Amino acid sequence: GQQVMQIPQYQHVQEGEDFTTYCNSSTTLSNIQWYKQRPGGHPVFLIQLVKSGEVKKQKRLTFQFGEAKKNSSLHITATQTTDVGTYFCAGQGNYGQNFVFGPGTRLSVLP
Amino acid sequence: KAGVTQTPRYLIKTRGQQVTLSCSPISGHRSVSWYQQTPGQGLQFLFEYFSETQRNKGNFPGRFSGRQFSNSRSEMNVSTLELGDSALYLCASSPQMTGETEAFFGQGTRLTVV
Repeated sequence: GQQVMQIPQYQHVQEGEDFTTYCNSSTTLSNIQWYKQRPGGHPVFLIQLVKSGEVKKQKRLTFQFGEAKKNSSLHITATQTTDVGTYFCAGQGNYGQNFVFGPGTRLSVLP
Repeated sequence: KAGVTQTPRYLIKTRGQQVTLSCSPISGHRSVSWYQQTPGQGLQFLFEYFSETQRNKGNFPGRFSGRQFSNSRSEMNVSTLELGDSALYLCASSPQMTGETEAFFGQGTRLTVV
C-alpha cells in the first residue's frame, strides 16, 4: 500500500537557524497537505499543494511539491520558539486511496 | 463557528471492555475521519465516513468500528479492548472527502486500557 515517509524524525535547532523537513511518498499523490501539532495539542492544517512543482509561502514557511508529485518539503527560515512542534505531511494517491500521514518530524527550538 | 468536539476527553478502561467515542464535526461538514495516534506509530488512519457511509478504511481489526449519523456526528467503537489500544484517538472533519480540502481536528480522546 501507499507509504509516506518523513525525514528527519527529530531536529534540534538554535533559535534563528533554518529548518527543513522532507516528505516522500511511495506513490504519486493527487495533492499533499501539511499539518503542525504542538506538544499536547492536535494537528492543525497549514497548507495544501496540488500542482506539480508548486511552491507556496506563508511568512517564514516555504512549502514545495515535487515535479513528480511524490515528494514535498517544508522549510522554515529563522526558526522561533513558537515553531516548536511536530510537522506532518499527508497525502492521497490518485485513485482514492486512504489519506495517509507521514510519521512526522519533531522540531525543537532552543532559545 | 464551533470547532470539532470530541467526547470524552479522557477515558480509562479495562482489558476486554468496549468503548464508544463521539465526534461532533463542524457544522456543515459531511466528512468525519478517525485516527489513532501513538508515540511509536504516528497518526494511523482508522476510517472515514461521508454522508453516513464508510468511504475508506484503514488496516485495523474488526474490533474497531464506526458509524455516522444523519447530522454528521460520528461514533467510533472498540470492542474487546487490548492494552495496545491505549492511544489518542483523533477525529477530523472536512466539508468534502478527506484530502480534497483541509481537515479540522478535534482535541482527541485519550484512551488508557489497563
